[in-house]
Amino acid sequence: GENVEQHPSTLSVQEGDSAVIKCTYSDSASNYFPWYKQELGKGPQLIIDIRSNVGEKKDQRIAVTLNKTAKHFSLHITETQPEDSAVYFCAGGSGGGADGLTFGKGTHLIIQP
Amino acid sequence: NAGVMQNPRHLVRRRGQEARLRCSPMKGHSHVYWYRQLPEEGLKFMVYLQKENIIDESGMPKERFSAEFPKEGPSILRIQQVVRGDSAAYFCASSPLAGTDEQFFGPGTRLTVL
Repeated sequence: GENVEQHPSTLSVQEGDSAVIKCTYSDSASNYFPWYKQELGKGPQLIIDIRSNVGEKKDQRIAVTLNKTAKHFSLHITETQPEDSAVYFCAGGSGGGADGLTFGKGTHLIIQP
Repeated sequence: NAGVMQNPRHLVRRRGQEARLRCSPMKGHSHVYWYRQLPEEGLKFMVYLQKENIIDESGMPKERFSAEFPKEGPSILRIQQVVRGDSAAYFCASSPLAGTDEQFFGPGTRLTVL
């Protein structure tokens, strides 16, 4: 089955700086890679996703890159703000809604004022 | 447009009791997924259901756990004879018609077994 590794487990950056979180996956059949933000006591919120036919996707301050050959994908947050502080999870799936997602263990992002 | 709804939000059970967790998917969504999250861990897939069908239960423990998504009403995750190791947050997600990957999560049910 799929295995998703996520690094780092904790990331502290100064407000205004950029943050990068990296994930690797093992199953070459995976073709859908979402990122979720989870705040304390709440459910995960989908913030951006990418499919394997695309190398990069951007939405305002958030971008995701995918390298299919190396089987890794990354989340980039620019101009970080205090409200970006949360736990971020990457995930992988084979798409088509056919099965569940495999999640990484999460990155606790701390934005220092 | 209400999101995914789960209830109860918090559930306390004693060892040996039964826990029933409910999930109402987003309007128009016919696919439901259940995940379990242990403290400081990512989410682990348990089961994927469509109306009246279990599609994939490969992540579900073989004993004591069951799930259903009836034609009418919410999806139910049922845990019989709970043990302390069942204490976790259980999240439900829903997605639109087949062929779409986005899964939208509910707020979760936090189960505590005393």
